[in-house]
Amino acid sequence: GAGVSQTPSNKVTEKGKYVELRCDPISGHTALYWYRQSLGQGPEFLIYFQGTGAADDSGLPNDRFFAVRPEGSVSTLKIQRTERGDSAVYLCASSFGGRSSGANVLTFGAGSRLTVL
Amino acid sequence: KQEVTQIPAALSVPEGENLVLNCSFTDSAIYNLQWFRQDPGKGLTSLLLIQSSQREQTSGRLNASLDKSSGRSTLYIAASQPGDSATYLCAVSSGFKTIFGAGTRLFVKA
Repeated sequence: GAGVSQTPSNKVTEKGKYVELRCDPISGHTALYWYRQSLGQGPEFLIYFQGTGAADDSGLPNDRFFAVRPEGSVSTLKIQRTERGDSAVYLCASSFGGRSSGANVLTFGAGSRLTVL
Repeated sequence: KQEVTQIPAALSVPEGENLVLNCSFTDSAIYNLQWFRQDPGKGLTSLLLIQSSQREQTSGRLNASLDKSSGRSTLYIAASQPGDSATYLCAVSSGFKTIFGAGTRLFVKA
């Protein structure tokens, strides 16, 4: 598509519930990133995909968080047993990937705002 | 571990003033540095990208500089306008990972 698309734009859930957030990257971008942004803070890295595999998941806060990208395009961030502290904006970005200086220019989606009551 | 710091955290200026936002990073082995703008409740919009081999980039009233050896970048905004009010984020890419600063919240008073 023309840009990075994220759904839903807003999600309100109750503590303990399961949540899925979806990201549709720019067509042709092999690299996909998930970030989490809390109020008043910069985006915090969660996980990076190169193709279908998670090349770096060091930012996932704990095992309640999981992300997949089964066909190397759309990605889903999954959060189990949600807690109030999970409330944040979850941002997805994509890029052409690779190690060259121009390849990892990120284009961000508008984000999914998660509120856990 | 790369750390990115932005100073000041917040800034309020009268319309028409020129201003400078600062960004510093701890690991100079970077591929590029990007400046983003974020409006309240919105996603990130890329303003300028400086490759590791470059020293500055310009777009309209914006000019960004990069000094890799000292781990610093500045974003210069000329003749500020109320529409420039937003949060400005600096982001450094090292390999595949992009690390963000906490941002500078700018308010331009009419």
